[in-house]
Amino acid sequence: NAGVTQTPKFRVLKTGQSMTLLCAQDMNHEYMYWYRQDPGMGLRLIHYSVGEGTTAKGEVPDGYNVSRLKKQNFLLGLESAAPSQTSVYFCASSYSNGYSSNGYTFGSGTRLTVV
Amino acid sequence: KQEVTQIPAALSVPEGENLVLNCSFTDSAIYNLQWFRQDPGKGLTSLLLIQSSQREQTSGRLNASLDKSSGRSTLYIAASQPGDSATYLCAVKGWDNYGQNFVFGPGTRLSVLP
Repeated sequence: NAGVTQTPKFRVLKTGQSMTLLCAQDMNHEYMYWYRQDPGMGLRLIHYSVGEGTTAKGEVPDGYNVSRLKKQNFLLGLESAAPSQTSVYFCASSYSNGYSSNGYTFGSGTRLTVV
Repeated sequence: KQEVTQIPAALSVPEGENLVLNCSFTDSAIYNLQWFRQDPGKGLTSLLLIQSSQREQTSGRLNASLDKSSGRSTLYIAASQPGDSATYLCAVKGWDNYGQNFVFGPGTRLSVLP
């Protein structure tokens, strides 16, 4: 089925370790986003991309890096994981900048625990 | 900075009841507002999108209203069913520096009991 696929679905890291979360979409969407979801705080934008080769910072970018080398993939990297980065991470994509009906498609999330 | 709140945080109702979920936002200069549904272990599914020039949107048993001047939106669910059990999030898009960003509320966790 078409949509947004996130890998892995679960991961446990030790403090200081690094990892990369992969987001892949097959809808030819231009825009892609990484959010984190924490209890009681809603989703917060980490980084986003408005097209292949472009990235921009969101609300909470510190401690994360991203890359969009291919239009269909958006990678989120943690260079040195910290317990504060324990969260559920969601990727989303859209065919516009969101000013349209049902423009956002979300992945199912990655649950990351940093110990 | 836009802030979005949702009341109540959790709600439990018997099947068949009509219910209202509330969303409030601090900056009325929004472009649109969207209601999402989130099931455990899954991503967000868009339910309704209301443009700032609109007062309400309807889809099946769902009706969302928007009062931009007071910074409020409500999601009305008619004749609730156990399958409606999920977390409901509202999100607003404003004219902010992030351009593409929705600001999300923390959600209302709904349980519909059979």
